[in-house]
Amino acid sequence: DAKTTQPTSMDCAEGRAANLPCNHSTISGNEYVYWYRQIHSQGPQYIIHGLKNNETNEMASLIITEDRKSSTLILPHATLRDTAVYYCIVRVYNNAGNMLTFGGGTRLMVKP
Amino acid sequence: NAGVTQTPKFQVLKTGQSMTLQCAQDMNHNSMYWYRQDPGMGLRLIYYSASEGTTDKGEVPNGYNVSRLNKREFSLRLESAAPSQTSVYFCASVEASSYNEQFFGPGTRLTVL
Repeated sequence: DAKTTQPTSMDCAEGRAANLPCNHSTISGNEYVYWYRQIHSQGPQYIIHGLKNNETNEMASLIITEDRKSSTLILPHATLRDTAVYYCIVRVYNNAGNMLTFGGGTRLMVKP
Repeated sequence: NAGVTQTPKFQVLKTGQSMTLQCAQDMNHNSMYWYRQDPGMGLRLIYYSASEGTTDKGEVPNGYNVSRLNKREFSLRLESAAPSQTSVYFCASVEASSYNEQFFGPGTRLTVL
């Protein structure tokens, strides 16, 4: 699976959009981009995933560049409860199971 | 639905002791996973079971064994605990035919003295 690079930490004001970048310059054509987050002491939580088109759900939007070498997770109106570590993961679906490889992630701090 | 449950929530062991971490899911998922997370680090895959009756090693399998007891349950065993196994252990499950999310349990916090 391709390696990802994320900033170690970011701050965001409550109510503003949080834009979390991720570089995955060695991504292969059949690898998806997944985002998970982990709120302190809890198990990771799925947010969103995409292949090449932008995606949106009730939690966030995912913008993938045309060359697929980077992506941005957008939380449109960050709240204090969005303070967490956000993981960008790229992986290939295979018959052996949907394994995830977690890097260091970005620690997002939402401030009042 | 309870989702993914793990027992125990906390455990303290002495070096050399053994124990089994239990995981169960009620979502009828085919695939289940065991991860460990050391302080300040991301999760690392220990073992996984793509389907009932199969298990495979992940990134850090040494010192662990697993059993996929049935479709619902996937246990992780430490035969002779070592201080290096002090960590938080997460179990997860996913429907193998989907491209979508893994569901994680709340974790087991293990300390080996």
